[in-house]
Amino acid sequence: GDSVTQMEGPVTLSEEAFLTINCTYTATGYPSLFWYVQYPGEGLQLLLKATKADDKGSNKGFEATYRKETTSFHLEKGSVQVSDSAVYFCALMQGGSEKLVFGKGTKLTVNP
Amino acid sequence: NAGVMQNPRHLVRRRGQEARLRCSPMKGHSHVYWYRQLPEEGLKFMVYLQKENIIDESGMPKERFSAEFPKEGPSILRIQQVVRGDSAAYFCASSPRDRNNQPQHFGDGTRLSIL
Repeated sequence: GDSVTQMEGPVTLSEEAFLTINCTYTATGYPSLFWYVQYPGEGLQLLLKATKADDKGSNKGFEATYRKETTSFHLEKGSVQVSDSAVYFCALMQGGSEKLVFGKGTKLTVNP
Repeated sequence: NAGVMQNPRHLVRRRGQEARLRCSPMKGHSHVYWYRQLPEEGLKFMVYLQKENIIDESGMPKERFSAEFPKEGPSILRIQQVVRGDSAAYFCASSPRDRNNQPQHFGDGTRLSIL
């Protein structure tokens, strides 16, 4: 079945550091790919998405590019802030399906 | 513009009791999804509903769990005879479904604790 693998956390960075959170997927066909963010005690918020190969999703300084050849959708940000501290989930959705398949999440802590 | 509303935010039940979790989708959204998040895990799909119809329940445990989305009122996830292993955060999401693969908008979840 379809699956998503994220890098193990937790990740701890200093403010203004560069962030990469790796995400790879296993799926048939051409799924849509998503990054969601979960702040403490809250639900998931859509951060960005990409629906086809080579698409780049971006939002709030975060970016991720849909790489079909490496089945990856790594999340990057050039300069993190304390307010970026949260858990980040990579997810996929197959065309014709309404199920989101999530990775286990990566907890990010940004220190001042 | 209210988002997805879930209640209660926290629910405590003793083993053997029933738990009812409610979800009101965003205005204009006709599709509801339920996910379960176990501690230190990602979210796992449970069920997908439209008004008065269960579309996909492939992630629902075979026993004790049921879901509905009536014509009027919120969607309900019902867990009968709860056990300790049911302790988790249950998230509801909704989407408008006017096109394929619309992003799902999540509520803040119900955290269920079983004593």
